[in-house]
Amino acid sequence: QKEVEQNSGPLSVPEGAIASLNCTYSDRGSQSFFWYRQYSGKSPELIMSIYSNGDKEDGRFTAQLNKASQYVSLLIRDSQPSDSATYLCAAANQAGTALIFGKGTTLSVSS
Amino acid sequence: DTAVSQTPKYLVTQMGNDKSIKCEQNLGHDTMYWYKQDSKKFLKIMFSYNNKELIINETVPNRFSPKSPDKAHLNLHINSLELGDSAVYFCASSLKGADGAFFGQGTRLTVV
Repeated sequence: QKEVEQNSGPLSVPEGAIASLNCTYSDRGSQSFFWYRQYSGKSPELIMSIYSNGDKEDGRFTAQLNKASQYVSLLIRDSQPSDSATYLCAAANQAGTALIFGKGTTLSVSS
Repeated sequence: DTAVSQTPKYLVTQMGNDKSIKCEQNLGHDTMYWYKQDSKKFLKIMFSYNNKELIINETVPNRFSPKSPDKAHLNLHINSLELGDSAVYFCASSLKGADGAFFGQGTRLTVV
């Protein structure tokens, strides 16, 4: 069974700090990786996608991918209380037919 | 204009009943999904459809039957509901199966 693993947290950071969220995946055939943000009672919202090794930056968010280590991370710079949510890591399966999700990491940003 | 919409948002029903959830996307995507999110927030793939054709059926009980009349719609019918079916069901769509998916607002199903 192909899996995506994340620490459930909670990860607590003060406002203005960098939050670092990590994820590993077991399917070496996965080629596409995504980070979703889910507020309590809401649906998952796509915030980042990454397909190649290295870093991808979008505003305060940076996604990092290392396919050799089967590792994906998300950095949130200048964390805000509004960033408090559950962050879900997802990897497309090798067949490219669905996204497999991790169990999510809960982030709490205190003001 | 909502990209992926599903109805109803809440569904409370008794054990043994049959219920349906409807989903529509106006993004022009080829692939649609049903995901189940349990009480521990784990999001698990149930079904994946590509252009009306079933691609993935992840060991879901036969009581769950998806139907895709066209590539913009994917409905989920559940027979003989059980307590363990209580969860939030999300419909989602993506351009292709390996692309980022966009989710509907979810249907919170409670079986009593």
